[in-house]
Amino acid sequence: DAKTTQPPSMDCAEGRAANLPCNHSTISGNEYVYWYRQIHSQGPQYIIHGLKNNETNEMASLIITEDRKSSTLILPHATLRDTAVYYCIVRGYNTDKLIFGTGTRLQVFP
Amino acid sequence: GAVVSQHPSRVICKSGTSVKIECRSLDFQATTMFWYRQFPKKSLMLMATSNEGSKATYEQGVEKDKFLINHASLTLSTLTVTSAHPEDSSFYICSASRLAGGHNEQFFGPGTRLTVL
Repeated sequence: DAKTTQPPSMDCAEGRAANLPCNHSTISGNEYVYWYRQIHSQGPQYIIHGLKNNETNEMASLIITEDRKSSTLILPHATLRDTAVYYCIVRGYNTDKLIFGTGTRLQVFP
Repeated sequence: GAVVSQHPSRVICKSGTSVKIECRSLDFQATTMFWYRQFPKKSLMLMATSNEGSKATYEQGVEKDKFLINHASLTLSTLTVTSAHPEDSSFYICSASRLAGGHNEQFFGPGTRLTVL
């Protein structure tokens, strides 16, 4: 699976958009980009995934660059409950395995 | 839907004893379950893939005789930490795979915190 690179930490003011970047320059054509988050001492929670098109759901938006070498997770209106570690994971089409990197620790402040 | 539970949520045991952790998919059947461990301030590390009715597949460096995995039914997988030692103290998390929205999505349990004295 392709390796991902994320900033170790980010801050965001409550109510503002949180934009979390991820680099996956070695991604191959059949690999998906997945985002999970983990709130302290809980199991990870699925957020969103995509292949090449931008995706949006009730939690977030995922913007994938045209060359697919990077992506950005957008939380449009961050709340204090969005404070968590966010993991960007590249997953092959033919596998269910998720290999977690170090993630980005997002701190939302009042 | 798609709830995964783990039991116990916390366990403290003496060194040398064995501890069993259960992972259940409550409202769906999961042919594949996964086991992870997580040390403080670290990321999740995949330990093994558990397939119903067959032997688990362990990741490199994970001792299969130390971490026994049984996936006896489509809703239950167990992880037994045998002869536990203090270095086995960790947060153990399971996940269950289910087809959702055209892809196999992993749903995670709440985790089990193991402390070995």
